[in-house]
Formats: sequence, structure tokens, C-alpha cells
Amino acid sequence: GQQVMQIPQYQHVQEGEDFTTYCNSSTTLSNIQWYKQRPGGHPVFLIQLVKSGEVKKQKRLTFQFGEAKKNSSLHITATQTTDVGTYFCANKDTGRRALTFGSGTRLQVQP
Amino acid sequence: DTGVSQDPRHKITKRGQNVTFRCDPISEHNRLYWYRQTLGQGPEFLTYFQNEAQLEKSRLLSDRFSAERPKGSFSTLEIQRTEQGDSAMYLCASSLVGGRVETQYFGPGTRLLVL
Repeated sequence: GQQVMQIPQYQHVQEGEDFTTYCNSSTTLSNIQWYKQRPGGHPVFLIQLVKSGEVKKQKRLTFQFGEAKKNSSLHITATQTTDVGTYFCANKDTGRRALTFGSGTRLQVQP
Repeated sequence: DTGVSQDPRHKITKRGQNVTFRCDPISEHNRLYWYRQTLGQGPEFLTYFQNEAQLEKSRLLSDRFSAERPKGSFSTLEIQRTEQGDSAMYLCASSLVGGRVETQYFGPGTRLLVL
């Protein structure tokens, strides 16, 4: 599948600070999905982006898909301790059903 | 609880033993996926079923691994002659065909430790 690279690997923020994780690909992606995995938990679907330049918001979370469809970002405004976890981007190749996950960004929020 | 369930949640075995995991998908979901996740990594696809048909297998799925979904409902994943490198979290996910976005719902996983 198409490889997606995520940066940073890890981020530690103070509660109230913003957080951004980036997902990059060397090839054009047909879509990008974002998942959150709490410590000791399983991945939970957050959102899917399919259109070039698409921006979607879920409360304090803002998701973007790049114009060239080679990158995506997840931005959290004013982090809370409940945001702690690992955020994964994932891609589904055209014609396939399987997801290819990035290596994730682990977010730690200091109260 | 109507989510995806997996059994057992934890399994410790000795190298060379066989293990079998079970996944019960969300009722009426016709697609079922198996993934493997090691520490600090994202889930890696192993195989998927649509109803009872196994439609895709990853190169990661060596001949020691076999998966079944005999009646199109629950699925089993068997690992024969386990190796220490098989130690990982094995995740099952299910989804329903149709709709604009196919959302995969993950189960809690089975954590395997091979000694």
C-alpha cells in the first residue's frame, strides 16, 4: 500500500496549548482517514477526507487534506487531558479495502 | 454491548504452540478485517473477509497463519508454531458495505505474548 509518514512521533504539551500532527505521502492519496487510540485502547475512527483542499472540523479538531492530496494534518485547539492518545492517519488504496496506517503521533497533555 | 468483541483479550504461549483467536463483528457487518499492531506502530493489515469469502491477504500473513469466517459472522485467526516475533496485538475490525464512507470499527484486540 501507499506509505504514509507521520510527524512528529511524540509531542508533550501543556493543557490549553495547541497540537498539530502531519501525515505525508510521496504519492497522491485517494483519501485519508484519521484514528485516535487511547493508551491501552483500540483505534477509533475520527474522520475521512477525500477532496483536494478539504477542511473538516469536529469541535476543537480541524482536519485538512492538502491541495495535491499528498499530505494531511490534524490540529487540536486548546488541548485537554482527554486528548491524550496516539493519532494515526491511514490511507485506503484505490481498489483495495485494507487500510495502510502511519506510525502515529503520540500526544501527552500535561494538566 | 453491540461493538466488535474479541476473545481472549490476552494470551501467553510458549514458542511452537498453536493459538487461536476469535472475533465477533458488529451484527450485520459484512466485512471483517484482521490487523496486527506492535508497540509504537500503527496497525498492519493481515487479511479481510467479505461475508465468508477471504478476499485479500497481506504478504505478512505467512503460511503459519490462517483465518476463517465460516458462516460470514464470527472469524477465527489461528497461528501455528508460534514464534517470538508473533508477539503483538491482534486487532479485528468490521464494517458495513454501502454509504459514502466505509468506517472500520475496531475491537479491543487480543494481546499475544510468545515466550
